[in-house]
Amino acid sequence: EAQVTQNPRYLITVTGKKLTVTCSQNMNHEYMSWYRQDPGLGLRQIYYSMNVEVTDKGDVPEGYKVSRKEKRNFPLILESPSPNQTSLYFCASTQDRNYGYTFGSGTRLTVV
Amino acid sequence: AQSVTQPDIHITVSEGASLELRCNYSYGATPYLFWYVQSPGQGLQLLLKYFSGDTLVQGIKGFEAEFKRSQSSFNLRKPSVHWSDAAEYFCAVFFFGNEKLTFGTGTRLTIIP
Repeated sequence: EAQVTQNPRYLITVTGKKLTVTCSQNMNHEYMSWYRQDPGLGLRQIYYSMNVEVTDKGDVPEGYKVSRKEKRNFPLILESPSPNQTSLYFCASTQDRNYGYTFGSGTRLTVV
Repeated sequence: AQSVTQPDIHITVSEGASLELRCNYSYGATPYLFWYVQSPGQGLQLLLKYFSGDTLVQGIKGFEAEFKRSQSSFNLRKPSVHWSDAAEYFCAVFFFGNEKLTFGTGTRLTIIP
């Protein structure tokens, strides 16, 4: 089944403890992206990648890192999480911009 | 500046009634346009998209949307809603020049019997 898989689905962590949210797609898509969703703000792009080793900042990149060493994987790294990074995170991928993104099921992160 | 606006935060509709959700964008050219639906606790599912051609596009679950260039709008419609349509709906726009799909703030749809 064609899909974007994120792990974990739920995560509670403490301020300052490094964490990684994994994202993998099995559709051989070129483009991948991370979004965060907050009430009243919709989805905001954190980082995106147009291909292996090609990444760029979105609207809210502060406090996040990404890497794209393989086409299928696009992990999101929070080096030192803070409470304002408590949010619902989505990974998405697409073969081309006019196709529309396929989204993962989301990762709900709570930083205390 | 490029932007996407969904003016209605919350809409309540009776089951069987028609539905229209509004979406406006600010941009100097025609972007790629999308509607997504998010059911409670779920990810986002693509309903339909527009990037050229016929301005009335059909999507899944009986939804359609009409692109109006003169109004910079891409409104989502459904002739008769079902209780299962209760969800949050997001309009999204891909502006050329940056590799970014920009989302509106969403419209939450409630269906009453």
